[in-house]
Amino acid sequence: QVHLVESGGGVVQPGRSVRLSCAASGFDFSQWGMHWVRQAPGKGPEWVAVLGHDGNTEHYADSVKGRFTISRDNSKKTLYLQMDSLRAEDTAVYHCARDLNSGWTDYWGQGTVVTVSS
Amino acid sequence: EIVLTQSPATLSLSPGERATLSCRASQSISNYLAWYQQQPGQVPRLLIYGASNRATGVPPRFGGSGSGTDFTLTISSLEPEDFAVYYCQRRGNWPITFGQGTRLEIK
Repeated sequence: QVHLVESGGGVVQPGRSVRLSCAASGFDFSQWGMHWVRQAPGKGPEWVAVLGHDGNTEHYADSVKGRFTISRDNSKKTLYLQMDSLRAEDTAVYHCARDLNSGWTDYWGQGTVVTVSS
Repeated sequence: EIVLTQSPATLSLSPGERATLSCRASQSISNYLAWYQQQPGQVPRLLIYGASNRATGVPPRFGGSGSGTDFTLTISSLEPEDFAVYYCQRRGNWPITFGQGTRLEIK
């Protein structure tokens, strides 16, 4: 079955960087677009970024544009999120999710926690 | 950016009752709307996409309707496991946006 496992989160100081990873299994990763979605404590989901199955099409939320970069390695079945210039408001659980038809998401990982604090 | 507004913020009902949740878009989004259910401590689960299509494994008591700017999620007869938070979400033009959620609680 579809399995998504995120890693790389932790406590990071404002202005610093961190890279998240999402390891996929149970499906043909190279044929599916993938998203990052975050959820701050007590809040609803906030979409962050999407990357097409071949890595050629990407889009970002305005709140992270220019600071975050989504990428993938289909040979390793892994999705990444490079997060630079981190701010306190980036504190959240970060989930990767599989794309179902250009925007819907049908499978989510359990997430990795990123806390931005000095 | 297209804003999704959900109502009510909280809905208090009893098992067996019918639930009606609303999602309104700030401009027309055709049928590009999905509904998710989130149980405490769990990730969101896709229930409905394309406004009215049930996702794989979703019970038939869940139904979606609407197009343009007004959408509805209906749960015909509430089961104990249906008490959760529900989010609507649109696709189409980027960025994707979610509504703020409706909490369905036991009365």
